[in-house]
Amino acid sequence: AQTVTQSQPEMSVQEAETVTLSCTYDTSESDYYLFWYKQPPSRQMILVIRQEAYKQQNATENRFSVNFQKAAKSFSLKISDSQLGDAAMYFCAYGTYKYIFGTGTRLKVLA
Amino acid sequence: EPEVTQTPSHQVTQMGQEVILRCVPISNHLYFYWYRQILGQKVEFLVSFYNNEISEKSEIFDDQFSVERPDGSNFTLKIRSTKLEDSAMYFCASSDGGTSYNEQFFGPGTRLTVL
Repeated sequence: AQTVTQSQPEMSVQEAETVTLSCTYDTSESDYYLFWYKQPPSRQMILVIRQEAYKQQNATENRFSVNFQKAAKSFSLKISDSQLGDAAMYFCAYGTYKYIFGTGTRLKVLA
Repeated sequence: EPEVTQTPSHQVTQMGQEVILRCVPISNHLYFYWYRQILGQKVEFLVSFYNNEISEKSEIFDDQFSVERPDGSNFTLKIRSTKLEDSAMYFCASSDGGTSYNEQFFGPGTRLTVL
């Protein structure tokens, strides 16, 4: 069965600094997607970035980038130039025909 | 930009009552999903639906739950007799295909509170 593990329940970062959130997963599939979702206090799920497993190039979206290590089944999210609005829960997810989510990392941004 | 919508945003009900959570998927999408997130926990898959049939369901999706596409636009989740432990955020999602290449788009969620 597929699993997603986020080992950091909470992280803090100073405003304008860089932070990396960790995620590992387990699967026997070869084709899948990986996602990072942001969940603010409103609890809406906002897609931050996604990575296609067959692409070696790491995805980037403005200040957000991933480090995808397929062999190691690792998918970390790097947030550069952190802003107060980045404070939220971040969920890593593995996706085929259904999504499997990790337990989340609460990110605090310190002014 | 097309989006998934859900109503109501917050539903409060008494234990034992039936509730129906409603979703309007993106119009050209054919695959529909419900997920659940108990407060403080991770998001969990409940059920997927395609061509008026359940494609897959999780262990959580027991006989108390049912899904339906009553018309061409709505997708509903019914809980027949709510329990306290059904209190959670329920997310609807839709996609234009059922493979890993088809991104699921999530709605804003319905917060269900069972008293």
